[in-house]
Amino acid sequence: DVVMTQTPPSLSVAIGQSVSISCKSSQSLVASDKNTYLNWLLQSPGRSPKRLIYQVSKLDSGVPDRFSGSGSEKDFTLKISRVEAEDLGVYYCLQGTHLPYTFGAGTKLELK
Amino acid sequence: EVQLVESGGGLVQPGASLKLSCVASGFTFSDYWMSWVRQTPGKTMEWIGDIKYDGSYTNYAPSLKNRFTISRDNAKSTLYLQMSNVRSEDTATYYCTSTPPAYWGQGTLVTVSS
Repeated sequence: DVVMTQTPPSLSVAIGQSVSISCKSSQSLVASDKNTYLNWLLQSPGRSPKRLIYQVSKLDSGVPDRFSGSGSEKDFTLKISRVEAEDLGVYYCLQGTHLPYTFGAGTKLELK
Repeated sequence: EVQLVESGGGLVQPGASLKLSCVASGFTFSDYWMSWVRQTPGKTMEWIGDIKYDGSYTNYAPSLKNRFTISRDNAKSTLYLQMSNVRSEDTATYYCTSTPPAYWGQGTLVTVSS
């Protein structure tokens, strides 16, 4: 199975601060169709996960452009510029290239 | 509005069987591969498996393949997860999602305990 190593496990931030979360995979996530199926999800407290970003850098509809994704092959980053209170929760990366699909362990974003 | 509504969770004894359902609305269910994902009490996320849009093909996490079966009824816009010989480590919230995971349900909690 592809191991997704997500860091840091937690982040304490002030509103308005910018943060980055890293996700590294044990294998390249470039698929045979040349796409890279790396997703970022946010689980707000008491809620189901919600996808924010797919294929490394594509924002889902309604996701603020304060969120951005980057990376390639095995090394990926989620950046949140100017954190707002609604951004708090647990962020997960999820690879959809290799079966079985696998998640990172999560990064908990909390208020400082 | 897209909705995925899971049901069928609850308290179940070790060794028993349980069938979860997920009713979809707001999108053309029969056009989508669909998945089941679970989240343990410790918040670890695990992909269980998925099923092709016409129900003709399934993929599973190898560790669960022998006990879990995914099926669907497109006429009812419903996804199913049949769980057999459940164990305490199957205690989790079970989510149905589209594949890719653009859509998520609210989850149903399964607790395995005697």
